[in-house]
Amino acid sequence: KNQVEQSPQSLIILEGKNCTLQCNYTVSPFSNLRWYKQDTGRGPVSLTIMTFSENTKSNGRYTATLDADTKQSSLHITASQLSDSASYICVVSPDSGGGADGLTFGKGTHLIIQP
Amino acid sequence: DAMVIQNPRYQVTQFGKPVTLSCSQTLNHNVMYWYQQKSSQAPKLLFHYYDKDFNNEADTPDNFQSRRPNTSFCFLDIRSPGLGDAAMYLCATSWQAGGTDTQYFGPGTRLTVL
Repeated sequence: KNQVEQSPQSLIILEGKNCTLQCNYTVSPFSNLRWYKQDTGRGPVSLTIMTFSENTKSNGRYTATLDADTKQSSLHITASQLSDSASYICVVSPDSGGGADGLTFGKGTHLIIQP
Repeated sequence: DAMVIQNPRYQVTQFGKPVTLSCSQTLNHNVMYWYQQKSSQAPKLLFHYYDKDFNNEADTPDNFQSRRPNTSFCFLDIRSPGLGDAAMYLCATSWQAGGTDTQYFGPGTRLTVL
């Protein structure tokens, strides 16, 4: 069964600090992996998307890495800001080309930035 | 410039009273999805439309129905809401299905069942 596990479940850090969120998946074969940011009470917004041939991708202060061999991804947030407080969801798509139901969502990491 | 719009943002209904949630998009995407997301859980796909073709997930209860009258609009009908249906309902769109395209999500509708 395809699964996406994220850790930690929740994280509290001080404003200005860096942090790294983890995503492990068992989806195989694998097409791409996305990180979404979901503010409380809002829909998810895409941050990065990586195919299995990509090792790293940046979007401003967000940097995602991917190791397709170990099936692990991380999202690194640099110089955190209060607006980074949100849930970060890892979403993995299989290489089946078939159907929307192929997406596997992680439960997310709830990040709180404290002033 | 809202691309995926959901109305209302908050909906309160009574146990058993039918309710309809609305989603519209300005992206002209082929695919529209409805997800249910409960607190601290991942979004769960209910169904999706590829153009006019309806695709229901196997474990979506019959209580949930959907309509897509045209490319821009998609509706989620809950025929007899139960307390367990209280959740955030997310609409999303993408150009193609199959997971290769990014899904663009609306802001969600928070449903409360009294």
